[in-house]
Amino acid sequence: EAEVAQSPRYKITEKSQAVAFWCDPISGHATLYWYRQILGQGPELLVQFQDESVVDDSQLPKDRFSAERLKGVDSTLKIQPAELGDSAMYLCASSSGGLAELQYFGPGTRLTVT
Amino acid sequence: QQQVKQSPQSLIVQKGGISIINCAYENTAFDYFPWYQQFPGKGPALLIAIRPDVSEKKEGRFTISFNKSAKQFSLHIMDSQPGDSATYFCAAYHRGGATNKLIFGTGTLLAVQP
Repeated sequence: EAEVAQSPRYKITEKSQAVAFWCDPISGHATLYWYRQILGQGPELLVQFQDESVVDDSQLPKDRFSAERLKGVDSTLKIQPAELGDSAMYLCASSSGGLAELQYFGPGTRLTVT
Repeated sequence: QQQVKQSPQSLIVQKGGISIINCAYENTAFDYFPWYQQFPGKGPALLIAIRPDVSEKKEGRFTISFNKSAKQFSLHIMDSQPGDSATYFCAAYHRGGATNKLIFGTGTLLAVQP
């Protein structure tokens, strides 16, 4: 069964350092999402890509977060500089064009900022 | 109007009992209502979903009941098992404008006692 791949699974970094997360969506899925999930809460959308284009980044803290999907396949989410409040699970999801509401999630990257 | 309110926050059920989790929404533009199951350290996995033209959907031991007029929907887990112990999130899909978005509830931590 096809799955969304993410790496690393866990990341510990110090405040003010840069971190990057990688996501490989299910093959053929044109839409890719990055979510942030704070412990005890539901996922919140950070950025949505349609192919290589950003279609929604309204909740992305653009002063420190950036995301790219250069070839419309895999994607990278970067935080620079990391802050203590960025500690969370970062989830990637993907969906196909015809059923955008059917989103499949990866295992996530657990980020701890010290 | 974009919120999905979920209750209870946590739930303890005996093995073989019925687990019931409730969600409510305000925005009538939502047109797809999935439930996700999340185990510790894993990404959310789609469990079951319903569209507002249907009042009930059943898949195995899992049933969604949907009340369009009350803007409420609920997940029923029949014959609850210890393996069902996880966090459950309701969600609602907003289709409209330039972007489509999945809005999550705050989650319910279910513990099924043997």
